[in-house]
Amino acid sequence: GQQVMQIPQYQHVQEGEDFTTYCNSSTTLSNIQWYKQRPGGHPVFLIQLVKSGEVKKQKRLTFQFGEAKKNSSLHITATQTTDVGTYFCAGRPRGAQKLVFGQGTRLTINP
Amino acid sequence: DTGVSQDPRHKITKRGQNVTFRCDPISEHNRLYWYRQTLGQGPEFLTYFQNEAQLEKSRLLSDRFSAERPKGSFSTLEIQRTEQGDSAMYLCASSLDATSGYNEQFFGPGTRLTVL
Repeated sequence: GQQVMQIPQYQHVQEGEDFTTYCNSSTTLSNIQWYKQRPGGHPVFLIQLVKSGEVKKQKRLTFQFGEAKKNSSLHITATQTTDVGTYFCAGRPRGAQKLVFGQGTRLTINP
Repeated sequence: DTGVSQDPRHKITKRGQNVTFRCDPISEHNRLYWYRQTLGQGPEFLTYFQNEAQLEKSRLLSDRFSAERPKGSFSTLEIQRTEQGDSAMYLCASSLDATSGYNEQFFGPGTRLTVL
């Protein structure tokens, strides 16, 4: 069935360092969404990418959707302690309304 | 606060008992989703409603699980004859049926189920 793999599972950085998480789907997606979940919290929507090769930026966060619409990445520049949490990609298979979530990348930061 | 509410927030039950959870979505959202999340994993899709119609259901959802959304507003998820493997966080999310295709999902705080 549809699978979305996300790496790395964990990432620990020093405050100010950059961070990247990668997402890869087994099948072509109609779109991909990114969510952030703080410890003890629920997933909170960050962004949706729809077009092949799309790049979107939100302040220090840059999101990319691959040309084949099967992979995506999230890059955070100059991390801050407020960036701590688990970042999930969630792909929408073509013809479906459900989201298939990756396993998430848990980001911890040393201040 | 996202506006999606779930009740109860925590449920502890004994194996074999039935449990029911409730989700109240954001009022103008016609799409409602149920997910299950275990520690260290991403949310796993269970089922999806558009208004009162249940349109998609995961193959992983056993016949012990049933969900309803009778009036197209709140939804309930029932688990019959609970097993220890059912212990998880059950998340509800809602979204608009946006013709633009831009349909972010708003998640509720979840119901944490512990089966003893």
